[in-house]
Amino acid sequence: QVHLVESGGGVVQPGRSLRLSCAASGFTFNTHGFHWVRQAPHKGLEWVALIWHDGSKTNYADSVKGRFTISRDDSRNTLYLQMNSLRVEDTAVYYCGRDLSYGAGSDWGQGTLVTVSP
Amino acid sequence: QPALIQPASVSGSPGQSITISCTGTSSDVGYYNYVSWYQQHPDKAPKLIIYDVYNRPSGVSNRFSGSKSGNTASLAISGLQTEDEADYYCSSFTSTTTLVFGGGTKLTVL
Repeated sequence: QVHLVESGGGVVQPGRSLRLSCAASGFTFNTHGFHWVRQAPHKGLEWVALIWHDGSKTNYADSVKGRFTISRDDSRNTLYLQMNSLRVEDTAVYYCGRDLSYGAGSDWGQGTLVTVSP
Repeated sequence: QPALIQPASVSGSPGQSITISCTGTSSDVGYYNYVSWYQQHPDKAPKLIIYDVYNRPSGVSNRFSGSKSGNTASLAISGLQTEDEADYYCSSFTSTTTLVFGGGTKLTVL
């Protein structure tokens, strides 16, 4: 069955960097697009970034544009989120999701917590 | 502020039906038929229950249904059950190939 496992979260100071990974299994990785979505403590879901199934297109929320980069390694069945210049307001649980149809995330990992604190 | 507007809370009794609205603009909800709905229980990952406005993923109860009119999408839940108590989020693909979410609606089953 479909399995997504995020890793790489932790506590980091403002201005520093962190790279999240999302290891996928149970399906053909290179035929799917993916999303990163985050959820700040006691807040709603916020879309962060997407990457097309072939990696040809990426897009970002305005709140992270220019600081975060989504990428994929099809040889490793792994999705990444490089997060630079982190801010306190980036504190959240980050989920990776497999795209079913133009933004519909059919499967999600368990999430990884990123805490940005001085 | 979330791009899509949802009521903060709705409630109903077991067996009843409820509807949750999701209002966007002509650049998101009104642009494509790519509206999704998610159910999220506390400390759990979101679960897709409706995609492309109307469609249910395999395994999702037919008590959940979606619709859209203009810039407003709706999620209906019939025959409310206690396990339906959760947060519900709408999302929409946009004309600029981004994704936007609603602020979420807390459903209480009384």
